[in-house]
Amino acid sequence: SQTIHQWPATLVQPVGSPLSLECTVEGTSNPNLYWYRQAAGRGLQLLFYSVGIGQISSEVPQNLSASRPQDRQFILSSKKLLLSDSGFYLCAWRVGTAGYGYTFGSGTRLTVV
Amino acid sequence: GNSVTQMEGPVTLSEEAFLTINCTYTATGYPSLFWYVQYPGEGLQLLLKATKADDKGSNKGFEATYRKETTSFHLEKGSVQVSDSAVYFCALGSTGGFKTIFGAGTRLFVKA
Repeated sequence: SQTIHQWPATLVQPVGSPLSLECTVEGTSNPNLYWYRQAAGRGLQLLFYSVGIGQISSEVPQNLSASRPQDRQFILSSKKLLLSDSGFYLCAWRVGTAGYGYTFGSGTRLTVV
Repeated sequence: GNSVTQMEGPVTLSEEAFLTINCTYTATGYPSLFWYVQYPGEGLQLLLKATKADDKGSNKGFEATYRKETTSFHLEKGSVQVSDSAVYFCALGSTGGFKTIFGAGTRLFVKA
């Protein structure tokens, strides 16, 4: 069966520190992968998506970056965190285009202090 | 461009009440429409979807009908339970595109 793993579940980081969040998918090949951020009490903001290894499309200003080193691995990074980076980060995948539904990971709650 | 508008919350209901959460959309072509649910502290789960006009998506007692003439996809449930308390997101995805457009979410509280 297809599953998605996202970790860590919770993270508290000081301002200016680096960030690495990882997401892996099992049970499928060549998924389209997505990173979303959800600020407290707000909707979802698309950060990055990838349709293949090494291919990243960015939707936000560059304090964050994403990489896809393997077919089913998607990493969200930052060199120096800002307070405004706090939020709930969600990884998602689907096979095919936007006519299909997502499967979301369980999320990472990031608090920058 | 494509957009999704859903009713602002929070919506507070008593157990066994009827639920409607309104969702309207703007899109070119023939998008697919989705409802996702997010329980506290969790990621989103796909609740139901419809891929063409007049389709009805249904799951766990929830229903939504794709109405092209009114550009709507309202979520309904005949009798809500306390366990339905969550945030509900309406979303739109264009076939052939890579992005899904989400509404702002509607928080539902169900009281016992």
